[in-house]
Amino acid sequence: DTGVSQNPRHKITKRGQNVTFRCDPISEHNRLYWYRQTLGQGPEFLTYFQNEAQLEKSRLLSDRFSAERPKGSFSTLEIQRTEQGDSAMYLCASSLMDRGQGGYTFGSGTRLTVV
Amino acid sequence: GESVGLHLPTLSVQEGDNSIINCAYSNSASDYFIWYKQESGKGPQFIIDIRSNMDKRQGQRVTVLLNKTVKHLSLQIAATQPGDSAVYFCAENTGTASKLTFGTGTRLQVTL
Repeated sequence: DTGVSQNPRHKITKRGQNVTFRCDPISEHNRLYWYRQTLGQGPEFLTYFQNEAQLEKSRLLSDRFSAERPKGSFSTLEIQRTEQGDSAMYLCASSLMDRGQGGYTFGSGTRLTVV
Repeated sequence: GESVGLHLPTLSVQEGDNSIINCAYSNSASDYFIWYKQESGKGPQFIIDIRSNMDKRQGQRVTVLLNKTVKHLSLQIAATQPGDSAVYFCAENTGTASKLTFGTGTRLQVTL
């Protein structure tokens, strides 16, 4: 296992289109997180899963956003009817339930550009 | 790669010198803190963490200091190398929440 994997690395889409990103966490990690990062800012929390259950969603996650983790392994983040303000880096992270074991491991992110 | 943090505070140090990056956190209930390094086009990379029952923790060339009284965290990098050039973020977490809250990053530039 080489860490958290995210696909695609880059996505350019036209405003109004739907996009879906995939995250494959570290296999033994039961928690999976989605964050969004814009230029000049730290990552902002969007949502997290423990196994297949989505336990928390940020107010940043509007109705156009949906995340799933159907079998408690990989996760997808879908954005419907994309807007220019959705342009950002979308980061996935995973962790074990017990904090302090090396922190949260982040993937390299998916860079979304809405034109 | 694309730059991370175009308008971040910048710390410029000479190769071989020690670096100190500071962070003020906001939540007095936070009990776990992490420092991350982020290079252009990459996700944040774990450096070191510390729990609130500790004041200091050391790793390889890095030391994190925690002052809960003033809600301040610092990262010290010894003998800074060109490969240390990146944006550094502190992040906090409370026992009741799994999410991390990130602070404003600092860009570290290492000059030769």
